[in-house]
Amino acid sequence: EVQLVESGGGLVKPGGSLRLSCAASGFTFSSYSMNWVRQAPGKGLEWVSSISSSSSYIYYADSVKGRFTISRDNAKNSLYLQMNSLRAEDTAVYYCAREPQGTRALDYWGQGTLVTVSS
Amino acid sequence: SYVLTQPPSVSVAPGQTARITCGGNNIGSKSVHWYQQKPGQAPVLVVYDDSDRPSGIPERFSGSNSGNTATLTISRVEAGDEADYYCQVWDSSSDHNYVFGTGTKVTVL
Repeated sequence: EVQLVESGGGLVKPGGSLRLSCAASGFTFSSYSMNWVRQAPGKGLEWVSSISSSSSYIYYADSVKGRFTISRDNAKNSLYLQMNSLRAEDTAVYYCAREPQGTRALDYWGQGTLVTVSS
Repeated sequence: SYVLTQPPSVSVAPGQTARITCGGNNIGSKSVHWYQQKPGQAPVLVVYDDSDRPSGIPERFSGSNSGNTATLTISRVEAGDEADYYCQVWDSSSDHNYVFGTGTKVTVL
């Protein structure tokens, strides 16, 4: 069974940093691209970042470029999102999601972790 | 940047058909994916590549895509289909490579 479990969310002050993790199991992690998608309270889905299976290709939404860094450790079946210079508008539930190669669709999602940026 | 527009809400009686549209410039040239999200839960992929269904998704869910509009159709609607639905495409020319629609709340009357 495919499982994606996010962790690392919490309350942080504006300007602070946080590192999210996503533990994957039930599939060959190293064969899939992975993504982070966020959802602000009561709002729609917003793509944040993606990373290819071997970390060769990395993309960011303009809203987080220069502040967030996506990475992965295929040996540990884990995906990460380092978030720096956090702003109030970064407050959201952050989901990790799996992307089968070449599909650009997100076929499995974790349950999400809440990040709250507030003083 | 590429924009996907959905109606905010659609209401449908049980057993009837719900159609959710997703409008975008020449969206027919792109592959469209659809997600269902129930309150407090993560999104679930229900249709990918315009009209294919992942395993485990009922045949009642179908999709089409042509011109400037993609459509998710839910036949024989059930109470359990009440949820938010989002369309999504990948656009290489957009700042947000993965673009989500604005979302549609489906209410089962």
